[in-house]
Amino acid sequence: GQNIDQPTEMTATEGAIVQINCTYQTSGFNGLFWYQQHAGEAPTFLSYNVLDGLEEKGRFSSFLSRSKGYSYLLLKELQMKDSASYLCAVNDNAGNMLTFGGGTRLMVKP
Amino acid sequence: GAGVSQSPSNKVTEKGKDVELRCDPISGHTALYWYRQRLGQGLEFLIYFQGNSAPDKSGLPSDRFSAERTGESVSTLTIQRTQQEDSAVYLCASSLGGASYNEQFFGPGTRLTVL
Repeated sequence: GQNIDQPTEMTATEGAIVQINCTYQTSGFNGLFWYQQHAGEAPTFLSYNVLDGLEEKGRFSSFLSRSKGYSYLLLKELQMKDSASYLCAVNDNAGNMLTFGGGTRLMVKP
Repeated sequence: GAGVSQSPSNKVTEKGKDVELRCDPISGHTALYWYRQRLGQGLEFLIYFQGNSAPDKSGLPSDRFSAERTGESVSTLTIQRTQQEDSAVYLCASSLGGASYNEQFFGPGTRLTVL
């Protein structure tokens, strides 16, 4: 079956760097997405990785290792507004739906 | 331009009643998805529409759930004989096409509470 694991909660300090890990075991692989979801709001797209390596986009970077079934989202220069849930999702190539992990709730403290 | 919209934003219903949830995707988006998100959990895929192809219903949890889409526009998700376990936020998303790299844009969701 499909299995996507990420930590349930993380806490970090404003201005710091935090890395949110995601491991996956899926029947196929056709790309990995990271979404940000503020409480009570819709998820918004952060990144897409389909090839191994690091994709950098401003304060956010996402890394993928397909051989290890592993990805991480790196957030730099944390701001209070970064407090949100971060969702890891895999397109498993069985269709175009996404299989989501449970999400990581990040709390940024002053 | 307008994003994905959903209505109603909140729905409270009694166990056993039927409910209908609506999704208006972004204009021009051929792919439309429904997901369910229970409190504190990740998103659970329900159904996927792509153009005029037969929908992928593999995520629907029971035959009480059904969905329709009119062409490449509005979709409705219907839950018959609602149960308390159906309480969740129902999220709709659309994407430009069915390619794996196409970003899915999410609507604000409908929060369903079954009493």
